[in-house]
Amino acid sequence: GAVVSQHPSWVICKSGTSVKIECRSLDFQATTMFWYRQFPKQSLMLMATSNEGSKATYEQGVEKDKFLINHASLTLSTLTVTSAHPEDSSFYICSARAGGQDTQYFGPGTRLTVL
Amino acid sequence: SQKIEQNSEALNIQEGKTATLTCNYTNYSPAYLQWYRQDPGRGPVFLLLIRENEKEKRKERLKVTFDTTLKQSLFHITASQPADSATYLCALDMAAAGNKLTFGGGTRVLVKP
Repeated sequence: GAVVSQHPSWVICKSGTSVKIECRSLDFQATTMFWYRQFPKQSLMLMATSNEGSKATYEQGVEKDKFLINHASLTLSTLTVTSAHPEDSSFYICSARAGGQDTQYFGPGTRLTVL
Repeated sequence: SQKIEQNSEALNIQEGKTATLTCNYTNYSPAYLQWYRQDPGRGPVFLLLIRENEKEKRKERLKVTFDTTLKQSLFHITASQPADSATYLCALDMAAAGNKLTFGGGTRVLVKP
């Protein structure tokens, strides 16, 4: 149990385009989902927290207009990187947590490369 | 702000031995602490969670201890196997901060046959 999927697993896009990444909890309802970014040889950095049906809360330094997060249902959250630039190239990972639970379960990650 | 330190140097260990990893934190103690395993190019996989009122937790060959006085958690892999080779991350869950996880830098473990 507690499986989280992400799609796509990797994506290459041109600079200036937008990319959408999906995060799904497959066998539980996720009241809260989190989005992280990980650069090579670094640890995970939290970008934002989203609760179903409400606006996401962004960490300091993360541009909310650039990284659009939608948590429309208890099993799906999306991250859209708008007007992507090469510096946005990174490994994006989502996690999900069920209501009343402590553990976050992570997706397999999405490798974004912006040319 | 909370700082989490894990040994950034890789831990090379012989198969069958016990690997011990440390996680130290500053400031106030978290509600609980979690350990994850991460393989290259993959998302973290949850291993163990230990609460502030627990001293020790075990799962198969894994053992975690939590000392709030020392502000330290130890993670042990007993009878290590080459398949245990990965990066291990500790993460602190600050209940006062909306249960957000703050991750340490991770320690890479390499188990040699």
